[in-house]
Amino acid sequence: DIVMTQTPSSQAVSAGEKVTMSCKSSQSLLYSENKKNYLAWYQQKPGQSPKLLISWASTRESGVPDRFIGSGSGTDFTLTISSVQAEDLAVYYCEQYYDTPWTFGGGTKLELK
Amino acid sequence: QIQLVQSGPELKKPGESLKISCKASGYTFTDYAMQWVKQAPGKGLQYMGWINTQTGKPTYADDFKERFVFSLETSASTAYLQINNLKNEDTATYFCARRGTTTGGFAYWGQGTLVTVSS
Repeated sequence: DIVMTQTPSSQAVSAGEKVTMSCKSSQSLLYSENKKNYLAWYQQKPGQSPKLLISWASTRESGVPDRFIGSGSGTDFTLTISSVQAEDLAVYYCEQYYDTPWTFGGGTKLELK
Repeated sequence: QIQLVQSGPELKKPGESLKISCKASGYTFTDYAMQWVKQAPGKGLQYMGWINTQTGKPTYADDFKERFVFSLETSASTAYLQINNLKNEDTATYFCARRGTTTGGFAYWGQGTLVTVSS
């Protein structure tokens, strides 16, 4: 199984701050035939279902604010929030859909400083 | 619009069984596999497996190959998760989910079903 490792596990942030979080996979998620990285990012707030933010490592879903930026390729990926808002306090998960079983990272929790 | 609506919370005793439903609407049910995800209290997301909605064939992740059964009622656009011989560690919220049409990630999620196993 592909292991997804997210760091940090939690991060204290202030509104307006730039935030980055990492997701590393145990093997490459880049499919050579289409040059796509099979990596998604989700946001989960307490008591809610996860919400898909980004697919293909860097493609934002419709309606997702452009302050959410996904980057990276191969085994190393980053989710950046360019200017954190109060409503962004949540847990963020990465997921690989390159190979079954699909697997999630352990999550990064954004908390208020 | 596309919706996945799950059945309500369950309180069960160890050794009992339960069946959670996930009713899909807003799309052709058999066009997309249905996936299942577990989230224990205060923990992360754990992928359980998926069911092919055209053939009914289930595929289970390693941790869910025993006691867990995925099934369908295609005429009702509904997927089911059955858990047999419940254990305390099955206490969790269970989500059904579906991938998007062009997106790779799980674009659609049920609201989750909280299962509590306690004697």
